Amino acid sequence: GAVVSQHPSWVICKSGTSVKIECRSLDFQATTMFWYRQFPKQSLMLMATSNEGSKATYEQGVEKDKFLINHASLTLSTLTVTSAHPEDSSFYICSGGQGAQPTEAFFGQGTRLTVV
Amino acid sequence: AQSVTQLGSHVSVSEGALVLLRCNYSSSVPPYLFWYVQYPNQGLQLLLKYTSAATLVKGINGFEAEFKKSETSFHLTKPSAHMSDAAEYFCAVKAGNTPLVFGKGTRLSVIA
Repeated sequence: GAVVSQHPSWVICKSGTSVKIECRSLDFQATTMFWYRQFPKQSLMLMATSNEGSKATYEQGVEKDKFLINHASLTLSTLTVTSAHPEDSSFYICSGGQGAQPTEAFFGQGTRLTVV
Repeated sequence: AQSVTQLGSHVSVSEGALVLLRCNYSSSVPPYLFWYVQYPNQGLQLLLKYTSAATLVKGINGFEAEFKKSETSFHLTKPSAHMSDAAEYFCAVKAGNTPLVFGKGTRLSVIA
């Protein structure tokens, strides 16, 4: 199946700094990328959807200025958590799919972010 | 809007016993349905998917699920549980052009 590589797998940063998470599709062109956030023992919550070359569409309640998403190419999307705070600590997962409305998306390995 | 309900946040079975994880969905249009497995601190791995073809879907690791429109269900089963099956399982629905919606997950424990 299609492979999505997400890096880093875990990161610790100081409060107030920014952290960038990368999501790469290795063997297909990910026209659409999805970014999720998962709190311990909870389900995945969609944060935003991005289409290559366009601005991301954020879900209600997600601060677009805090969670910057860039999808400049068909194989790379990045999520930058700006001015991170301890409450931003979470597990972030990306997934990529082909087409503007993919019927199936392939998931990265996830990134455990801890803000201290 | 579509939704997914997973009955039972935690299911415990003995090794070798039948695994049954329940999922009911709601959708105003014909849905695509998915089961994913997640191991600790990892992403999601697709177990199987229903995309309007055969109603009985076979997936990886011996899992299968049956789409029952009349019951709006897509329960996941495996005849014989293995210790390595212990993980979190998510049912998800996609309908039309809306994003994938996940259930809350069911944690499967396998007792030796």
